[in-house]
Amino acid sequence: KNEVEQSPQNLTAQEGEFITINCSYSVGISALHWLQQHPGGGIVSLFMLSSGKKKHGRLIATINIQEKHSSLHITASHPRDSAVYICAVDPSGGGADGLTFGKGTHLIIQP
Amino acid sequence: NAGVTQTPKFQVLKTGQSMTLQCAQDMNHNSMYWYRQDPGMGLRLIYYSASEGTTDKGEVPNGYNVSRLNKREFSLRLESAAPSQTSVYFCASSEMGQGTNTEAFFGQGTRLTVV
Repeated sequence: KNEVEQSPQNLTAQEGEFITINCSYSVGISALHWLQQHPGGGIVSLFMLSSGKKKHGRLIATINIQEKHSSLHITASHPRDSAVYICAVDPSGGGADGLTFGKGTHLIIQP
Repeated sequence: NAGVTQTPKFQVLKTGQSMTLQCAQDMNHNSMYWYRQDPGMGLRLIYYSASEGTTDKGEVPNGYNVSRLNKREFSLRLESAAPSQTSVYFCASSEMGQGTNTEAFFGQGTRLTVV
């Protein structure tokens, strides 16, 4: 079973700061997902990537397949970015195992 | 643009009671999933359905049953609720099976408390 580790577990920053959340996994994968969960809310998919880098607005996700590591960056952070960010991996080769999830990073952006 | 809809959003059960969590998606996805989310743990897969009429056990299936009623709907049933089933439950769907690089869409979650 793939082990997915996220760091940090908790992060508090000031508005405008550059944020980095890290994710590492133990076994090769076909894709990695970054998800966002607001308090009391559902889960929204931010990115799905299998190589390189993706950008959407102020969010950037990168992945290094060889090092089994991914990062999620938030530029010019804003209080509305406060949420739990979850990394999840797709097993290599498909199958019915579903996604394997990290425990999440709880981000608070203070005004 | 409803996406994935779960009902109910909140539920309190007494130990031994039964209930069904409903999930429906309007994106014509083949695959649907039920996960549970517990404090300090990542989401864990309860059951999975690759297509209408098929279901498979995930990591934590004990105490649950599922039904893939049609392509849109995938329900999760607790026959005799236990306090250990207190959790937040998420339904998800994707166009193809996970592991084939497809985006997953999640419902808003059901917060279940068993007393």
